[in-house]
Amino acid sequence: QVHLVESGGGVVQPGGSLRLSCVASGFNFNVFDMHWVRQAPGKGLEWVAFIKYDGSLEKYDPFVRGRFTISRDNSNNILYLQMDDLRTDDTALYFCVKDFGGQITMVLPESWGQGTLVSVSS
Amino acid sequence: EILLTQSPAVLSLSPGERATLYCRASQDIGKFLAWFQHKPGQPPRLLIYDTVRRPNGVPARFTGGGSGTDFTLTISSLESEDFAVYYCQQRSHWPPLTFGGGTRVEIK
Repeated sequence: QVHLVESGGGVVQPGGSLRLSCVASGFNFNVFDMHWVRQAPGKGLEWVAFIKYDGSLEKYDPFVRGRFTISRDNSNNILYLQMDDLRTDDTALYFCVKDFGGQITMVLPESWGQGTLVSVSS
Repeated sequence: EILLTQSPAVLSLSPGERATLYCRASQDIGKFLAWFQHKPGQPPRLLIYDTVRRPNGVPARFTGGGSGTDFTLTISSLESEDFAVYYCQQRSHWPPLTFGGGTRVEIK
């Protein structure tokens, strides 16, 4: 059974940084692409970033490109999101999401963690 | 960026009734549309992908349809656990992957 546990959220001032982590278990992490998706308070879902199973490709929403970096440690089954130059509208619940496809690239969010809350406020 | 517009924003129905949710894309996305169910305090759940395909474990009362720019999610007979927010999402033209604004299905 897929299990994704996010951590690293918290309160940070505008311009600050946070690194989110997601520990994955219950599936072969090394062969699945991964995503980060967020939900601002009272709002809908917003895709943030994608990384291929081997780390060879990263894609970002234009709103975060240049400020956020997605990465992964396949030896320890961990997905990361480094968030720099945070803005108040980055405040959201951040979900770690396993892609549907294995080594076949589908770019389809499938299994979601419970999320970790990031609050950017002065 | 592909914009997805969902309607209605809120759907008020009784258990046992049929629900039809709509999603319109700003340009042709072929068959590459998915639907998610989201309940408060839970992570979203993938219900439908590639317009009509149901992942293992999703009940048959959930069916998807459409193509190109206009899509539907139909719940044939609402059960109590189906009252939630539903989002459509496209993977045809990315980045970015985009989601619709959501339809809340509430108990009448």
